[in-house]
Amino acid sequence: QQQVKQSPQSLIVQKGGISIINCAYENTAFDYFPWYQQFPGKGPALLIAIRPDVSEKKEGRFTISFNKSAKQFSLHIMDSQPGDSATYFCAATQETSGSRLTFGEGTQLTVNP
Amino acid sequence: GAGVSQSPSNKVTEKGKDVELRCDPISGHTALYWYRQRLGQGLEFLIYFQGNSAPDKSGLPSDRFSAERTGESVSTLTIQRTQQEDSAVYLCASSKKGSGASYEQYFGPGTRLTVT
Repeated sequence: QQQVKQSPQSLIVQKGGISIINCAYENTAFDYFPWYQQFPGKGPALLIAIRPDVSEKKEGRFTISFNKSAKQFSLHIMDSQPGDSATYFCAATQETSGSRLTFGEGTQLTVNP
Repeated sequence: GAGVSQSPSNKVTEKGKDVELRCDPISGHTALYWYRQRLGQGLEFLIYFQGNSAPDKSGLPSDRFSAERTGESVSTLTIQRTQQEDSAVYLCASSKKGSGASYEQYFGPGTRLTVT
């Protein structure tokens, strides 16, 4: 059962551009929404996370925008760099249920120099 | 300190054989998770341990899959009578606590399982 839908599947951006990845969820019990970055051959690493009581969170070049009523959230990467080229996963969890993560399908980001 | 480690990094096995995958979590992390990642797809939850008990096994795809954990340490995921559809990367993650807090899950590098 797919509870988190992610788009686009792949994204190509020029260096310095803005990368935007979108996710939508179904389960209104989710209360924590992390984004993970994965490089080939490595495990995912937490990039940034948000709770539904705020509409935006920014850490450096990375920003999460959250729309609770629409059940959508997105990752914005400002001033994208070739080193940002990786696969990005959105996820969601319900903290009172063991915090098991439900992942989106992933977005393969390529930033051209 | 050391991160989450998994072994082996790669495993090729014949259909019908049993395999054991090992996860060493970060010391002091009470929660441990197993996920499966099929090629080009997101991660699927398999099982969650809090200490050595498994309050959530709902992601195990069949009774051929089982897992155990020794205290708050090593965990082993066992797949019996492997099938080709079991081919995937199996990822382990650990965190300070599972339920009731948003502790970051730290992932290991995974074990790539290929069933021929």
